[in-house]
Amino acid sequence: ILNVEQSPQSLHVQEGDSTNFTCSFPSSNFYALHWYRWETAKSPEALFVMTLNGDEKKKGRISATLNTKEGYSYLYIKGSQPEDSATYLCAFRGSNYKLTFGKGTLLTVNP
Amino acid sequence: EADIYQTPRYLVIGTGKKITLECSQTMGHDKMYWYQQDPGMELHLIHYSYGVNSTEKGDLSSESTVSRIRTEHFPLTLESARPSHTSQYLCASSEGGQSYGYTFGSGTRLTVV
Repeated sequence: ILNVEQSPQSLHVQEGDSTNFTCSFPSSNFYALHWYRWETAKSPEALFVMTLNGDEKKKGRISATLNTKEGYSYLYIKGSQPEDSATYLCAFRGSNYKLTFGKGTLLTVNP
Repeated sequence: EADIYQTPRYLVIGTGKKITLECSQTMGHDKMYWYQQDPGMELHLIHYSYGVNSTEKGDLSSESTVSRIRTEHFPLTLESARPSHTSQYLCASSEGGQSYGYTFGSGTRLTVV
């Protein structure tokens, strides 16, 4: 059974703070690492799909890095806004097309 | 705009009833998936399909069944609902390449009383 761990489980920050979360995953049989944002009452939305060791991806104020050799990825949010409040999920993809998800990090940004 | 549709969004049903959760996508994706999520827990894969007439059980054992007669349609059926089936069910689809993310539906929150 694959183990995908995310930390912290939840996080409260003030508007304007920068923050980051961690995802750890198996370092063997790696194909891709996905990040999703899941807002309440909406569908999970893909943020990044990362495939190469050392990958860095950016979308607006959100960026992510990938280390496949040690099995971790960081998601960074610069200058958090209340609309960034959501659960952030990471998911590991091995040699098939199935994703194994972590439990997520629940981010609350206070105005 | 949703390209993958799940109905119903919420369902409260009595024990022993047969239910079908619908999932349809308009993107022509070959690969489709059903995930189950209990409160505070991660998404667990219960079924997946890599194309028409192809279905496989996922990592979490489930009493539900699925079918894939058409590319766009991947319904999930529970023959006899029980309170232990109370959960959120999410459908997703993907293209085949390594760099593609999943597109998720909005989920069905099922309560069996």
